[in-house]
Amino acid sequence: EDQVTQSPEALRLQEGESSSLNCSYTVSGLRGLFWYRQDPGKGPEFLFTLYSAGEEKEKERLKATLTKKESFLHITAPKPEDSATYLCAVRDYGQNFVFGPGTRLSVLP
Amino acid sequence: DGGITQSPKYLFRKEGQNVTLSCEQNLNHDAMYWYRQDPGQGLRLIYYSQIVNDFQKGDIAEGYSVSREKKESFPLTVTSAQKNPTAFYLCASSTKGTSGYTQYFGPGTRLTVL
Repeated sequence: EDQVTQSPEALRLQEGESSSLNCSYTVSGLRGLFWYRQDPGKGPEFLFTLYSAGEEKEKERLKATLTKKESFLHITAPKPEDSATYLCAVRDYGQNFVFGPGTRLSVLP
Repeated sequence: DGGITQSPKYLFRKEGQNVTLSCEQNLNHDAMYWYRQDPGQGLRLIYYSQIVNDFQKGDIAEGYSVSREKKESFPLTVTSAQKNPTAFYLCASSTKGTSGYTQYFGPGTRLTVL
């Protein structure tokens, strides 16, 4: 059975304090690993898709990396507007998407 | 503007009532999905549809029903058989792009049982 776990559950950072969020997965044939940002009361906003180990993608202060068992979302010099819940999901050969519970990030000014 | 719309944003249901949540997309995506989100839990799949007039149960389909009569529309009915329907409901769609499949979400509907 496909599974996705995320750690930490919650993270508080000072503005400018870089850190990483972890997404660990077990899946029967990875067809993509996805990162989303979700603000309270809103739908998830797509950030990145990664397909193979060693792949990296960047967008502003965010960088996502992928290994065979986990993915990291690195946040460099975060700002208060980066505060949100970050969701990780995987897609398997069955074309289903499995989501992790998310990491709640708070960036304090 | 291309995107996914959900309505209403907030919905209140009395015990024993059926309610229908609307989801429309103009992205020309083939696949559409319904998820339920509860505090502290990941998104859980209710139903999905890969093509018109076909849909499959997800992990928590009991007490829900769907239809897919048009490519653009995938309404979800929450029936009185769903014992704990208070949750945030998210509709999504996906298609295969140049770099694979990506799923995009609507803004969500918050359903509260009175």
